[in-house]
Amino acid sequence: GAGVSQSPSNKVTEKGKDVELRCDPISGHTALYWYRQSLGQGLEFLIYFQGNSAPDKSGLPSDRFSAERTGGSVSTLTIQRTQQEDSAVYLCASSDTSLALPYEQYFGPGTRLTVT
Amino acid sequence: GENVEQHPSTLSVQEGDSAVIKCTYSDSASNYFPWYKQELGKRPQLIIDIRSNVGEKKDQRIAVTLNKTAKHFSLHITETQPEDSAVYFCAGAGLKTIFGAGTRLFVKA
Repeated sequence: GAGVSQSPSNKVTEKGKDVELRCDPISGHTALYWYRQSLGQGLEFLIYFQGNSAPDKSGLPSDRFSAERTGGSVSTLTIQRTQQEDSAVYLCASSDTSLALPYEQYFGPGTRLTVT
Repeated sequence: GENVEQHPSTLSVQEGDSAVIKCTYSDSASNYFPWYKQELGKRPQLIIDIRSNVGEKKDQRIAVTLNKTAKHFSLHITETQPEDSAVYFCAGAGLKTIFGAGTRLFVKA
């Protein structure tokens, strides 16, 4: 079946511009995560959505970053007034937590963001 | 706060040797411990996982052990092959999933 998809796959933007990154999770998955991965680095947790609960925003690095998840499905990560240090691959993952147990996260292909 | 520490950060082995990666976690509520493999330019993918009611799990050349008392778990890869070269991430999951920083494994032919 269809996996997690993300768009765009690549985004080049000028410093100071706003960008929106999109994630389409696997249908029926209640949990959705956003991570940032700088070149050669680990997975930096950004935000976590679980069903209708308030999202866990504890990983967002600044108030320039925000995310929403509409209708419990598609999510958009927005970065305002982009800075060069925002350049990274942004990964989205979804997980089926309907059994109330933590389970495998399925990752999307990522969006490579370059801020010039 | 919750944390998962992973060691070593880099590991180089000869083809055919074994590789061991170790992780420790701090959150007592963690009850699920997956391992992900990320090849260069690719997305992380699950290779094996273990739940807290099990002490060991094996799948062909890879195995994971869990010591809940000591709060550590390990990944063992036997008979390593060049295609095992990748970055490996451990994670601890309870109410929240926390990833380790990753181990870059090089398997020399």
